[in-house]
Amino acid sequence: GQQLNQSPQSMFIQEGEDVSMNCTSSSIFNTWLWYKQDPGEGPVLLIALYKAGELTSNGRLTAQFGITRKDSFLNISASIPSDVGIYFCAAHNNNDMRFGAGTRLTVKP
Amino acid sequence: GAGVSQSPSNKVTEKGKDVELRCDPISGHTALYWYRQSLGQGLEFLIYFQGNSAPDKSGLPSDRFSAERTGGSVSTLTIQRTQQEDSAVYLCASSLEGGFGRGDGYTFGSGTRLTVV
Repeated sequence: GQQLNQSPQSMFIQEGEDVSMNCTSSSIFNTWLWYKQDPGEGPVLLIALYKAGELTSNGRLTAQFGITRKDSFLNISASIPSDVGIYFCAAHNNNDMRFGAGTRLTVKP
Repeated sequence: GAGVSQSPSNKVTEKGKDVELRCDPISGHTALYWYRQSLGQGLEFLIYFQGNSAPDKSGLPSDRFSAERTGGSVSTLTIQRTQQEDSAVYLCASSLEGGFGRGDGYTFGSGTRLTVV
């Protein structure tokens, strides 16, 4: 089935730096979502986006639903050590939910 | 319970053996999903249960994989004659809404890490 292209695959950053990751698809989706997975845990929803062009913030996280409905990005500002984990994008249509391959984030203190 | 509970958390099995993975969803959630997470891959959809409807099995990779959901609650994913390529983390999620909902209502369990040796 249709997969999402998520990049980068991994990032190694210094504490305090900003981070940006994105997700694209060749198909249109109605909802874009970003999840974070800590080691040994299941993914947890960070942000959900429902309208093309929508920009939503959750603390130091900001995500946007692309105007074409085929992409989304997630920014993390002023990273801290607990931001470490795998970030997944996901996109949803009726009766369909797709996930990206994840971005593994490492934050060096 | 308060969250989605999966057991066991880790399972090591010999190639060719059968395994059963269990998922206990959030009470009242009508929809239950199984996903597989392989190293470096996204979450791969396996199967979806909604109430008493016939499950959507379109994601099951082979006939060695099967799942059932008894009484609309607990689900068991069974892998027969396991192969090394079955090694992965198997995640279960539940949601209040069916039809994959709006996508934002998923609650994931912590997963079962399966290693086939």
